[in-house]
Parts: sequence; C-alpha cells; structure tokens
Amino acid sequence: QQQVKQSPQSLIVQKGGISIINCAYENTAFDYFPWYQQFPGKGPALLIAIRPDVSEKKEGRFTISFNKSAKQFSLHIMDSQPGDSATYFCAASTGGYNKLIFGAGTRLAVHP
Amino acid sequence: DADVTQTPRNRITKTGKRIMLECSQTKGHDRMYWYRQDPGLGLRLIYYSFDVKDINKGEISDGYSVSRQAQAKFSLSLESAIPNQTALYFCATLAGVTGELFFGEGSRLTVL
Repeated sequence: QQQVKQSPQSLIVQKGGISIINCAYENTAFDYFPWYQQFPGKGPALLIAIRPDVSEKKEGRFTISFNKSAKQFSLHIMDSQPGDSATYFCAASTGGYNKLIFGAGTRLAVHP
Repeated sequence: DADVTQTPRNRITKTGKRIMLECSQTKGHDRMYWYRQDPGLGLRLIYYSFDVKDINKGEISDGYSVSRQAQAKFSLSLESAIPNQTALYFCATLAGVTGELFFGEGSRLTVL
C-alpha cells in the first residue's frame, strides 16, 4: 500500500517541451512535499519542495503545483532539456520531517 | 570527498550469508536513514535514527538490523541474506532545519 502514488512510471518528452509528473496522497497529516531528482549511478538530490500553505512554487524551469483539496501535487518542467533526463521522485512527510515517504518514481527521457 | 559515504558500492553474496553495509557522514547531522530502491517501487524506508540511542523501524525492517556506532556512522546488516533483498541501498542524512535529505551514492547488493 503506497501512501504516495506517482504517475506516469516513464515519460518521453521532446527538447523544449513541458514535462509533467503527478503525485497523489491520502494522509492529510502530510505537510511537506519535496521532489527529488536522481541521475544514473547517483543518489537522489532535492530539486524543489512545497508546503500546503501555497498552491505553487517556482524555481527556474521547475514548478510545483499543489492542490490541497484534491490531495494532489505535480512537478512541471518547462523547456525540458536533455540534461533533465533522470528519475524523479515525489515524497511527503509530516511535521518534523521525521519520515519521508517516496513515490515509485518517474523515469524522464528528454529527446533532442 | 562525498558528504555521505557508503561502502561497499557493489557486493555480490550468496543466500544465507551475513552482510553489512556501512555509512559515514561529515554533514554533522543527527538524523540518518537507510532506504532501499527497487524498480517500480521507489525508495522505501528500512530504518532511521535520530541519534545514537534512538533507532526506529521503517516500512520494511523485517530481515534487516542497524547499528548507530556514532553520530557519523550508521550501518545496515542483513543477518541471513535472501535473493529478494537484491536491491540498491541508500544511506541518507537529514538537515533538521530544512528537511532536506542528503543521500550517499548507493550500495548495490546482489544475493544469489
């Protein structure tokens, strides 16, 4: 039983396109929602994170959209580049960051 | 040098053998974590530790044990390895103020 459901499992986007990855959760006690990026042979690294008091957060080409009532959040990558090709994980945790629960991951391939 | 170092990076062993994966960190963080990564399942939490005397089970602790030898060291043991423990294992530390996890580069374990 996965507490954070992520889709799609894989995604192919052309260079310059928009990549969209979605996550849904059930636990309303979650109050911290980060996205991690993982390149082959490396550990995941924090990309961007949001708290439920805002509906959107943007950092460069990366944007998190958050819908508290639907219990969903998504990552948008604008002007996708081949260097963005990686596996992306959404995650969630409750207050104090004690346990971060991850989604299943999305493998993104950006074709030139 | 990496802030979070895992050894060994790769290990092949046989069913029934005892295996220890080691993790050391120079981040100065109190909280340390062990995750397991499997294709299609994402990152699942095995054990986590808030300090040397505080160790907690995660989602999938059965078949694993841990030892927090010092603030900087957190090891994961498989007392009697079985093939379905073949996976990529990650150690991570948590920045308590920001909630950011810092991962090692992973230990790939194959149990034959």
